[in-house]
Amino acid sequence: GESVGLHLPTLSVQEGDNSIINCAYSNSASDYFIWYKQESGKGPQFIIDIRSNMDKRQGQRVTVLLNKTVKHLSLQIAATQPGDSAVYFCALSGGSYIPTFGRGTSLIVHP
Amino acid sequence: GAGVSQSPSNKVTEKGKDVELRCDPISGHTALYWYRQSLGQGLEFLIYFQGNSAPDKSGLPSDRFSAERTGGSVSTLTIQRTQQEDSAVYLCASSPVVGASYEQYFGPGTRLTVT
Repeated sequence: GESVGLHLPTLSVQEGDNSIINCAYSNSASDYFIWYKQESGKGPQFIIDIRSNMDKRQGQRVTVLLNKTVKHLSLQIAATQPGDSAVYFCALSGGSYIPTFGRGTSLIVHP
Repeated sequence: GAGVSQSPSNKVTEKGKDVELRCDPISGHTALYWYRQSLGQGLEFLIYFQGNSAPDKSGLPSDRFSAERTGGSVSTLTIQRTQQEDSAVYLCASSPVVGASYEQYFGPGTRLTVT
């Protein structure tokens, strides 16, 4: 089955710095990857996704990078703001509508 | 527009009692998911409904857990004879399942505490 892991459970950054949140996966059949943001007391919120036929996708202040060779996914947040403080989850699926979620990384942004 | 709503937001129950958790998905979304999230953990898949197809119940942890989706809209997750290990936040998500998009829209969750 799939397993999803995160390199760091907590990431602390200063406001204005760039943040990088990493995610490793094991199932090479995974073809769809999603990043979610979960603020305290709320449900996860979709940030950005990427398919396995791409290695980079950009959104507003966020970039997702996919390295299929080493089965690694990262979320980069530019000019991190206090409002970015949350738990970030990667999720992936392979030919299924049921994604597997990672444990999450807590991002703490210091003003 | 309205997002996914869940009720109650918090539920405290005694061990052995039954509980019902409700999810109102976004109108028109054909897919509905239930997840469980324990403190500091990721999301544990419970059950998936898609249109009129038979639900995927592969994530339900025991036969004490069941879920229904009436009229392709509202869903109820029922936990019978609750145990302390059932304490968690139960999240519902819906998805339009448009094309190949798997984007899910989550509700705020129901925090269940079994005493």
